[in-house]
Amino acid sequence: AQSVTQLDSQVPVFEEAPVELRCNYSSSVSVYLFWYVQYPNQGLQLLLKYLSGSTLVESINGFEAEFNKSQTSFHLRKPSVHISDTAEYFCAVRSLTGGGNKLTFGTGTQLKVEL
Amino acid sequence: NAGVTQTPKFQVLKTGQSMTLQCAQDMNHNSMYWYRQDPGMGLRLIYYSASEGTTDKGEVPNGYNVSRLNKREFSLRLESAAPSQTSVYFCASRVPGQSYEQYFGPGTRLTVT
Repeated sequence: AQSVTQLDSQVPVFEEAPVELRCNYSSSVSVYLFWYVQYPNQGLQLLLKYLSGSTLVESINGFEAEFNKSQTSFHLRKPSVHISDTAEYFCAVRSLTGGGNKLTFGTGTQLKVEL
Repeated sequence: NAGVTQTPKFQVLKTGQSMTLQCAQDMNHNSMYWYRQDPGMGLRLIYYSASEGTTDKGEVPNGYNVSRLNKREFSLRLESAAPSQTSVYFCASRVPGQSYEQYFGPGTRLTVT
């Protein structure tokens, strides 16, 4: 069975500072990886995904994540955050075998950007 | 396109009451899902439907039932609500193909007193 660990439940950061949100997964087979963002009182939206190919994937609003197979990680980074990035971020994984039709989500990291 | 819609947005129930949460998608997706979100626990899958006419249990199915009424609609029923079912409920549907990307509705905030 697959699992996802997001060790940081909350990450406070000042505006224009860099940020890294950590995600580690557990799976014995190849995976697809996702980061979703949830703004206050809204549903989740896909931020970026890794399916195959280049291990560095980017979103349209400046976030990037790197798939590291040896460390089973998919950390999310942004070099300079904005107040509008305040949200909860969820990492998710789908195993390519035995994963069925489902994603497994981490417990989420609340990013709070302060002035 | 409205995407994934959910009704109601908010609901307060007394212990033992029943209700049905409605979900519909207009993207012609085959697979649909119901999750609950609780603080510190992320999203947990309650039930899912891989296609019209099929449903399967997820991680936390106890106390819930589902109906895949047609390709568009997937409802979640609480037969006898309990305070432990106080949560935010999200419906999602999956983009066809190999990406397994899911689109989420805006959620239903349920309180059981």
